[in-house]
Amino acid sequence: DQQVKQNSPSLSVQEGRISILNCDYTNSMFDYFLWYKKYPAEGPTFLISISSIKDKNEDGRFTVFLNKSAKHLSLHIVPSQPGDSAVYFCAASSGGYQKVTFGTGTKLQVIP
Amino acid sequence: GAGVSQSPSNKVTEKGKDVELRCDPISGHTALYWYRQSLGQGLEFLIYFQGNSAPDKSGLPSDRFSAERTGGSVSTLTIQRTQQEDSAVYLCASSQSQARNTEAFFGQGTRLTVV
Repeated sequence: DQQVKQNSPSLSVQEGRISILNCDYTNSMFDYFLWYKKYPAEGPTFLISISSIKDKNEDGRFTVFLNKSAKHLSLHIVPSQPGDSAVYFCAASSGGYQKVTFGTGTKLQVIP
Repeated sequence: GAGVSQSPSNKVTEKGKDVELRCDPISGHTALYWYRQSLGQGLEFLIYFQGNSAPDKSGLPSDRFSAERTGGSVSTLTIQRTQQEDSAVYLCASSQSQARNTEAFFGQGTRLTVV
C-alpha cells in the first residue's frame, strides 16, 4: 500500500529549462510534506518542505506546490542545472515527529 | 565527524547468518531513525529513537529485527537469521529533536546483500 506515489521513475530535461517532479498521496492525514535529493552512494539530503496550511513554498530555484484537494504536490526547479541530476524523493508526514513516508523516487537527468 | 556515519558501507552475508549494522549520528542529535530501501521501493521506516528509548518500533518487519541505542549516540540494527528478502540499503538519519520540521540528516547507507 504505497501512500506516497511518484509515478514517473525518470525525467530528462535540458539545462536551463524547468524540471517538474510530481507526487501524489492517498492519506488525507498527511499535513507536512518534504522533498529530498539523493546522489549515488550518498544518503538523501533535505531540499524543501511545505506545511498543509500553505500551497506554495519557494527557496531559490526550488518551489514546491501543494494541491490538497487533489492530494498532489510538485517540485519545480528553474532553471535546471546539470548538478541537479539526482534522484528526488517526495515524503509526507502526519505525525508529531519526523516519521515520514517516502515515495519511490524520480531520477532527474539534466542534459547540458 | 560532521555527518551521520554508517558502517559497513557494504555487507554480503549468507542466508541464516546474523548481521549488525552501525550508525553514528551527528553529535548532539537526540532523534535517530532507521529506514531501508529495497529495490524499486521507497524508503521504508523501521524504528525511531528519542535518546536511548524507542517510542516507535512499528516498522520493524519481523522479530528477527532489533535495534538499540546506547549513550544517546551510537545505534546498532541487528538482523538475525537473515533472509534474501532482507537485501536492501539500510539508512540511518538523525535530527536535533523529534519536531518534524527539524531537518533530518542521513548517512550514506549500508548495502546489505543476503546470498
